[in-house]
Amino acid sequence: GAVVSQHPSRVICKSGTSVKIECRSLDFQATTMFWYRQFPKQSLMLMATSNEGSKATYEQGVEKDKFLINHASLTLSTLTVTSAHPEDSSFYICSARISGSAYEQYFGPGTRLTVT
Amino acid sequence: GDSVTQMEGPVTLSEEAFLTINCTYTATGYPSLFWYVQYPGEGLQLLLKATKADDKGSNKGFEATYRKETTSFHLEKGSVQVSDSAVYFCALYLSGGYNKLIFGAGTRLAVHP
Repeated sequence: GAVVSQHPSRVICKSGTSVKIECRSLDFQATTMFWYRQFPKQSLMLMATSNEGSKATYEQGVEKDKFLINHASLTLSTLTVTSAHPEDSSFYICSARISGSAYEQYFGPGTRLTVT
Repeated sequence: GDSVTQMEGPVTLSEEAFLTINCTYTATGYPSLFWYVQYPGEGLQLLLKATKADDKGSNKGFEATYRKETTSFHLEKGSVQVSDSAVYFCALYLSGGYNKLIFGAGTRLAVHP
């Protein structure tokens, strides 16, 4: 089946620094990738949709200057949390949609970010 | 707005017990409905789906029927196993410009021997 990887699986950073999270589709091409944020015991909240070669579309309330998304190739999207603060601590999950499919998404295992 | 509500967990069952996890939705159009499962340390995996009213999705012994009249998509399994312990997410997908999945809060299932 289609596999999506995320790196790193967990990261601890200091307040004010930036951290980059990678999302890769390992055995398929994904024109569209999604970034979600999951709070404890809560649902996945869609942060943004990224399409290869174009700017990401952010959901209402998500700061585009804080959460930088780059989708430079059909197999890689990155999320950079800039000037991180403790309230950015969360579980970040990416998914990749197979080209040509309306809703078939494959999810990465998630990245646990802790900002101290 | 569009939303998904599922029963709070955790749900704790003995092996071979019957499982029901309730899911209801609110949507302005005609969504496709999904159940995803997240095993510890892994990403979400699609468990089953239904794309129109009265469709029944099934996989690995799990079933869910798309009930338009009650706006529900309850997940059931006749006999759970310890290996079914995971978090289950109900989700809907609306096409026509939205093109995104909307998830419920997730329900943790713990099955003990």
